Amino acid sequence: DAGVTQSPTHLIKTRGQHVTLRCSPISGHKSVSWYQQVLGQGPQFIFQYYEKEERGRGNFPDRFSARQFPNYSSELNVNALLLGDSALYLCASNANTGELFFGEGSRLTVL
Amino acid sequence: DQQVKQNSPSLSVQEGRISILNCDYTNSMFDYFLWYKKYPAEGPTFLISISSIKDKNEDGRFTVFLNKSAKHLSLHIVPSQPGDSAVYFCAADANDYKLSFGAGTTVTVRA
Repeated sequence: DAGVTQSPTHLIKTRGQHVTLRCSPISGHKSVSWYQQVLGQGPQFIFQYYEKEERGRGNFPDRFSARQFPNYSSELNVNALLLGDSALYLCASNANTGELFFGEGSRLTVL
Repeated sequence: DQQVKQNSPSLSVQEGRISILNCDYTNSMFDYFLWYKKYPAEGPTFLISISSIKDKNEDGRFTVFLNKSAKHLSLHIVPSQPGDSAVYFCAADANDYKLSFGAGTTVTVRA
């Protein structure tokens, strides 16, 4: 059974550009969450979506947005990239329980 | 404001001995606690959890203890094995499906 899959695994962008990260949850999971992990810190909550509705949003600027599709996959979009956006972006899915299942992440480097 | 704190960034232990990882939290609304393990280039993997109505939960070599009055939890790994070398994250849930993570503790198991 496939776990949470994310793409791309690595990408390099320059300041001011836009990025789209993609996530497919575990089959049967209707909830998808996005976390940002900066080196040396724990993951920080960005968004949670359930049944295509935004259920929660962390303390991130409006440059960050996300959406969930009818098949429960999700996209995270970041506009006007800053150097500080360089991080590992983790997607997680869950079956409406507290336990999250994480993907391997998308490593974003902003130059 | 960091609501979940792991004050020991690293821990070195000999193979076969006990590893004890500590975690403190400040938010009294947290009612579910989890430990995740992370290897380099992989996403965090769920290890063990505990509900606030319990003070101990065991799963094989892993035991989590919760002291609600002290807002403290700990993870015990006995016996420690080389494959346990990883970063361990403590996480807490206030029943809003958003996990708050600590900064992590890097465990190194020496042969």
